[in-house]
Amino acid sequence: NAGVMQNPRHLVRRRGQEARLRCSPMKGHSHVYWYRQLPEEGLKFMVYLQKENIIDESGMPKERFSAEFPKEGPSILRIQQVVRGDSAAYFCASSPKGGNTEAFFGQGTRLTVV
Amino acid sequence: DAKTTQPNSMESNEEEPVHLPCNHSTISGTDYIHWYRQLPSQGPEYVIHGLTSNVNNRMASLAIAEDRKSSTLILHRATLRDAAVYYCILRDQRSTDSWGKLQFGAGTQVVVTP
Repeated sequence: NAGVMQNPRHLVRRRGQEARLRCSPMKGHSHVYWYRQLPEEGLKFMVYLQKENIIDESGMPKERFSAEFPKEGPSILRIQQVVRGDSAAYFCASSPKGGNTEAFFGQGTRLTVV
Repeated sequence: DAKTTQPNSMESNEEEPVHLPCNHSTISGTDYIHWYRQLPSQGPEYVIHGLTSNVNNRMASLAIAEDRKSSTLILHRATLRDAAVYYCILRDQRSTDSWGKLQFGAGTQVVVTP
Protein backbone atom coordinates (compact mmCIF):
# COMPACT_ATOMS: atom_id res chain seq x y z
CA ASN A 1 0.00 0.00 0.00
CA ALA A 2 1.77 3.10 -1.21
CA GLY A 3 1.96 6.01 1.16
CA VAL A 4 1.03 9.61 0.48
CA MET A 5 2.76 10.62 -2.73
CA GLN A 6 3.78 14.18 -3.40
CA ASN A 7 5.36 15.52 -6.52
CA PRO A 8 7.53 17.08 -7.45
CA ARG A 9 9.88 16.69 -4.50
CA HIS A 10 11.72 19.86 -5.45
CA LEU A 11 10.38 22.75 -7.46
CA VAL A 12 12.17 25.91 -8.51
CA ARG A 13 10.16 28.84 -9.78
CA ARG A 14 11.04 32.41 -10.72
CA ARG A 15 9.18 35.23 -9.08
CA GLY A 16 5.83 35.75 -10.77
CA GLN A 17 5.47 32.19 -12.06
CA GLU A 18 2.90 29.66 -10.96
CA ALA A 19 3.65 26.64 -8.78
CA ARG A 20 1.53 23.49 -8.82
CA LEU A 21 2.05 20.94 -6.10
CA ARG A 22 0.40 17.53 -6.32
CA CYS A 23 -0.64 15.11 -3.62
CA SER A 24 -2.04 11.62 -4.04
CA PRO A 25 -3.50 10.38 -0.75
CA MET A 26 -3.17 6.87 0.53
CA LYS A 27 -5.52 4.38 -1.05
CA GLY A 28 -8.91 4.59 0.56
CA HIS A 29 -8.31 7.98 2.15
CA SER A 30 -10.81 10.65 1.28
CA HIS A 31 -9.45 13.50 3.42
CA VAL A 32 -6.47 15.59 2.39
CA TYR A 33 -4.66 18.30 4.35
CA TRP A 34 -1.97 20.71 3.24
CA TYR A 35 0.67 22.19 5.52
CA ARG A 36 3.45 24.69 4.98
CA GLN A 37 6.77 24.76 6.80
CA LEU A 38 8.76 27.94 6.35
CA PRO A 39 12.54 27.71 6.90
CA GLU A 40 13.37 27.23 10.58
CA GLU A 41 9.69 27.31 11.52
CA GLY A 42 7.02 24.80 12.49
CA LEU A 43 4.35 23.26 10.34
CA LYS A 44 1.27 25.36 9.78
CA PHE A 45 -2.06 24.00 8.63
CA MET A 46 -3.31 25.51 5.40
CA VAL A 47 -6.36 23.71 4.09
CA TYR A 48 -8.48 20.58 4.53
CA LEU A 49 -10.29 19.04 1.58
CA GLN A 50 -12.52 16.12 0.84
CA LYS A 51 -13.34 14.98 -2.67
CA GLU A 52 -14.62 18.01 -4.61
CA ASN A 53 -15.04 20.06 -1.44
CA ILE A 54 -12.97 22.50 0.57
CA ILE A 55 -13.89 21.88 4.19
CA ASP A 56 -11.57 24.24 6.07
CA GLU A 57 -9.28 26.81 4.46
CA SER A 58 -8.66 28.85 7.58
CA GLY A 59 -4.87 28.62 7.16
CA MET A 60 -4.70 29.60 3.51
CA PRO A 61 -3.30 32.98 2.57
CA LYS A 62 -6.12 35.10 1.20
CA GLU A 63 -4.52 35.75 -2.17
CA ARG A 64 -2.63 33.72 -4.77
CA PHE A 65 -3.18 30.36 -3.05
CA SER A 66 -5.83 27.83 -4.00
CA ALA A 67 -6.41 24.13 -3.51
CA GLU A 68 -8.58 21.49 -5.05
CA PHE A 69 -9.25 17.80 -4.67
CA PRO A 70 -11.16 16.64 -7.75
CA LYS A 71 -13.27 13.53 -8.01
CA GLU A 72 -10.51 11.89 -10.01
CA GLY A 73 -6.82 12.55 -9.65
CA PRO A 74 -4.57 14.09 -7.03
CA SER A 75 -5.13 17.08 -4.85
CA ILE A 76 -3.47 20.23 -6.20
CA LEU A 77 -2.11 23.18 -4.26
CA ARG A 78 -1.68 26.08 -6.62
CA ILE A 79 0.33 29.21 -5.92
CA GLN A 80 0.02 31.98 -8.45
CA GLN A 81 2.61 34.73 -8.99
CA VAL A 82 5.04 33.24 -6.50
CA VAL A 83 7.21 35.49 -4.35
CA ARG A 84 10.39 34.70 -2.44
CA GLY A 85 8.42 34.40 0.79
CA ASP A 86 6.59 31.39 -0.65
CA SER A 87 9.83 29.38 -0.49
CA ALA A 88 9.05 26.59 1.94
CA ALA A 89 8.36 22.89 2.29
CA TYR A 90 4.77 21.99 1.57
CA PHE A 91 3.45 18.80 3.08
CA CYS A 92 0.32 16.89 2.32
CA ALA A 93 -1.37 14.51 4.72
CA SER A 94 -4.28 12.15 4.30
CA SER A 95 -6.61 10.32 6.61
CA PRO A 96 -9.58 8.04 6.16
CA LYS A 97 -13.12 9.06 6.92
CA GLY A 98 -13.85 8.86 10.61
CA GLY A 99 -11.79 9.67 13.65
CA ASN A 100 -9.36 8.35 16.17
CA THR A 101 -6.67 7.47 13.70
CA GLU A 102 -3.39 8.86 12.55
CA ALA A 103 -2.69 11.20 9.69
CA PHE A 104 -0.19 10.04 7.09
CA PHE A 105 2.17 12.60 5.64
CA GLY A 106 3.98 12.71 2.36
CA GLN A 107 7.65 13.57 1.93
CA GLY A 108 6.85 17.10 0.94
CA THR A 109 7.57 19.42 -1.95
CA ARG A 110 10.35 21.91 -1.40
CA LEU A 111 9.56 25.07 -3.31
CA THR A 112 12.33 27.53 -4.00
CA VAL A 113 11.48 30.87 -5.54
CA VAL A 114 14.41 32.61 -7.21
CA ASP B 1 -7.52 22.75 20.62
CA ALA B 2 -5.61 23.32 23.84
CA LYS B 3 -1.91 24.20 23.68
CA THR B 4 1.10 22.13 24.72
CA THR B 5 4.50 23.07 26.13
CA GLN B 6 7.66 21.10 25.39
CA PRO B 7 11.36 21.66 26.03
CA ASN B 8 13.23 22.99 23.02
CA SER B 9 15.77 20.20 22.93
CA MET B 10 16.99 17.07 24.65
CA GLU B 11 20.13 15.02 24.29
CA SER B 12 20.56 11.33 24.75
CA ASN B 13 23.21 8.72 24.28
CA GLU B 14 22.57 5.92 21.86
CA GLU B 15 20.80 2.91 23.37
CA GLU B 16 19.74 4.94 26.40
CA PRO B 17 16.07 5.70 27.14
CA VAL B 18 14.69 9.13 26.28
CA HIS B 19 11.84 10.71 28.24
CA LEU B 20 10.17 13.59 26.44
CA PRO B 21 7.83 15.65 28.62
CA CYS B 22 4.80 17.58 27.46
CA ASN B 23 2.65 19.90 29.54
CA HIS B 24 -0.97 20.45 28.57
CA SER B 25 -2.56 21.99 31.64
CA THR B 26 -5.65 23.22 29.75
CA ILE B 27 -6.49 19.83 28.25
CA SER B 28 -10.19 19.07 28.00
CA GLY B 29 -11.87 15.77 28.72
CA THR B 30 -12.31 15.03 25.02
CA ASP B 31 -8.73 15.76 23.94
CA TYR B 32 -6.52 12.94 22.75
CA ILE B 33 -2.75 13.34 23.20
CA HIS B 34 -0.91 12.66 19.94
CA TRP B 35 2.81 12.47 19.26
CA TYR B 36 4.38 12.91 15.86
CA ARG B 37 8.00 13.19 14.90
CA GLN B 38 9.75 14.75 11.94
CA LEU B 39 13.08 13.41 10.80
CA PRO B 40 15.36 15.79 8.88
CA SER B 41 14.02 16.64 5.42
CA GLN B 42 11.01 14.37 5.81
CA GLY B 43 7.33 14.69 6.52
CA PRO B 44 5.94 14.16 10.01
CA GLU B 45 5.41 10.61 11.12
CA TYR B 46 2.84 9.38 13.63
CA VAL B 47 4.34 7.94 16.79
CA ILE B 48 1.57 7.22 19.29
CA HIS B 49 -1.59 8.61 20.84
CA GLY B 50 -3.68 8.10 23.95
CA LEU B 51 -6.56 9.44 25.99
CA THR B 52 -6.22 8.39 29.62
CA SER B 53 -4.37 5.11 29.94
CA ASN B 54 -0.71 4.56 29.20
CA VAL B 55 -0.08 3.22 25.70
CA ASN B 56 2.65 1.12 24.16
CA ASN B 57 3.49 0.38 20.56
CA ARG B 58 6.54 -0.77 18.64
CA MET B 59 7.94 2.73 18.45
CA ALA B 60 7.42 4.14 21.92
CA SER B 61 5.40 4.31 25.11
CA LEU B 62 3.14 7.11 26.23
CA ALA B 63 2.73 7.74 29.93
CA ILE B 64 -0.20 10.00 30.82
CA ALA B 65 -0.46 11.67 34.20
CA GLU B 66 -3.50 10.85 36.27
CA ASP B 67 -4.83 14.41 36.00
CA ARG B 68 -3.96 14.40 32.26
CA LYS B 69 -2.22 17.75 32.54
CA SER B 70 1.04 16.27 31.36
CA SER B 71 2.39 13.28 29.49
CA THR B 72 5.74 11.73 28.66
CA LEU B 73 6.83 10.03 25.47
CA ILE B 74 9.35 7.31 26.19
CA LEU B 75 11.77 6.00 23.61
CA HIS B 76 13.11 2.90 25.30
CA ARG B 77 16.45 2.65 23.50
CA ALA B 78 17.38 5.64 21.42
CA THR B 79 19.06 5.02 18.10
CA LEU B 80 20.63 7.51 15.75
CA ARG B 81 17.54 7.17 13.59
CA ASP B 82 15.44 8.60 16.43
CA ALA B 83 17.09 12.01 16.06
CA ALA B 84 14.15 14.17 15.08
CA VAL B 85 11.78 16.89 16.24
CA TYR B 86 9.04 15.39 18.40
CA TYR B 87 5.68 17.12 18.55
CA CYS B 88 3.06 16.71 21.28
CA ILE B 89 -0.38 17.65 19.92
CA LEU B 90 -3.86 17.62 21.42
CA ARG B 91 -6.79 16.59 19.24
CA ASP B 92 -10.44 16.81 20.20
CA GLN B 93 -11.97 13.38 19.70
CA ARG B 94 -15.23 15.02 18.70
CA SER B 95 -13.57 16.34 15.54
CA THR B 96 -13.80 12.94 13.92
CA ASP B 97 -13.97 14.26 10.39
CA SER B 98 -10.87 16.45 10.55
CA TRP B 99 -8.44 14.17 12.23
CA GLY B 100 -5.57 15.34 10.07
CA LYS B 101 -5.89 18.99 11.07
CA LEU B 102 -3.08 19.26 13.59
CA GLN B 103 -1.69 22.24 15.48
CA PHE B 104 2.07 21.79 15.53
CA GLY B 105 4.12 23.72 18.05
CA ALA B 106 7.90 24.05 18.04
CA GLY B 107 8.40 20.52 19.36
CA THR B 108 11.46 19.04 21.04
CA GLN B 109 14.62 18.48 19.04
CA VAL B 110 16.09 15.17 20.13
CA VAL B 111 19.81 14.75 19.60
CA VAL B 112 21.24 11.25 19.89
CA THR B 113 24.97 10.86 20.31
CA PRO B 114 26.82 7.63 19.59
